[in-house]
Formats: sequence, structure tokens, C-alpha cells
Amino acid sequence: AQSVTQLGSHVSVSEGALVLLRCNYSSSVPPYLFWYVQYPNQGLQLLLKYTSAATLVKGINGFEAEFKKSETSFHLTKPSAHMSDAAEYFCAVSYGGATNKLIFGTGTLLAVQP
Amino acid sequence: DAGVTQSPTHLIKTRGQQVTLRCSPKSGHDTVSWYQQALGQGPQFIFQYYEEEERQRGNFPDRFSGHQFPNYSSELNVNALLLGDSALYLCASSATLTNIQYFGAGTRLSVL
Repeated sequence: AQSVTQLGSHVSVSEGALVLLRCNYSSSVPPYLFWYVQYPNQGLQLLLKYTSAATLVKGINGFEAEFKKSETSFHLTKPSAHMSDAAEYFCAVSYGGATNKLIFGTGTLLAVQP
Repeated sequence: DAGVTQSPTHLIKTRGQQVTLRCSPKSGHDTVSWYQQALGQGPQFIFQYYEEEERQRGNFPDRFSGHQFPNYSSELNVNALLLGDSALYLCASSATLTNIQYFGAGTRLSVL
């Protein structure tokens, strides 16, 4: 079955430190890949998406992600964490079209320490 | 331009009751998807509506049903509520050429 794995349900970084959130997908078929962010009591906001163009994708708020087919990974990074980045982050995939059903990982809660 | 709007924001029901949740898609979008997000979990796909028909369905029982209206708005109905149906229900809208699903803020359903 197609699935998404996010390693680390909780990640804590210091303000100004590198943020790295990991995502791996299980499929030999290239998917569409997404990162969403969810702030408390809110819906999901799209950070960035990969749809078979450039493998390094830049998103909003300084985040970027690199699609590595050989590793079936799509890790999210940000060079310098800000307090406002504290939120839950979800990696998601879809197959056969970017507006097909999204399969989400279980999420990574990012804490940013002052 | 209003984004995806969902109503109500919060809802409390008892076991066995029925509930209807509503979603208005972003302007220009013709496809609506529904997701269930249990506490501490990622969203799970329930179903997707396009041109007033269910186009895809996830692994949810028939107690979960939906409808899409000619103006593309949508309803999610859940019958015979169980305690396990307590969750945040998210609606997402998209258009064929956008490659993006936009999410509403959700309806939090509590079943007592």
C-alpha cells in the first residue's frame, strides 16, 4: 500500500538553527509531493509542492525541499528557524494527479526554543 | 477572494445521532475533497466530489456520505455517530489545472 513516513513525531530546534524534517514515501511510481503546515486550531496551509519539475523546490517562509528519487525522500529544510515556525508539519503524496486524494504522514511537531 | 469556508466550526453530538457538515470551495474551484483528522494523526481521505458525483472514496464506511451542489459547495453527512468519529473534519477544494488542494479551517466534531 502507498504510504508516507515522517521520521520523528517531535523535533525541537533552537531559534536560528537549521530545521530538517524528514519524509519518505513508498512507491516506485513518482508521486506528486507536498508539505503542509498546521498551526493550532487551524486548517492546513501549503508550504511547497513537487510536481515533476525541478527537484529542489522552494516554498513560502524560507522553506525548501529536495526530491530524491533514489532515496524516495522529500525532506523539508529551513536554514534558520524562527519562533513563528513552531507548528505541525505534514508531508503528503498523491498519485495520478496533484488533485487526487492526498495520503498524509502522521506529522512532525516542530518546537522552536529561544 | 474568500478561501475555503466550513461550517460549523465546532459541533457536539451524542452517539447514534446524525450530523451534516458544510463546505464552500474557493472561488473558481470545482472539486471538493473531505478528510478526517483524528487527534495526533494526519488527515485521512474520505471522498472527493466533482461535477456533483463522488469520484474517489477512501476506506470509510457507508455511514459517511456526501453531496455536491451545482454551485460546487458540498456536504458531508455521518449517520449513526460513534465515539470514534470524534475528529477534525477538513474540506479541501481544487480546480483541474491548479495542482493544489486548498484547505478550510475545519469542523471539530465531538461525539459524546
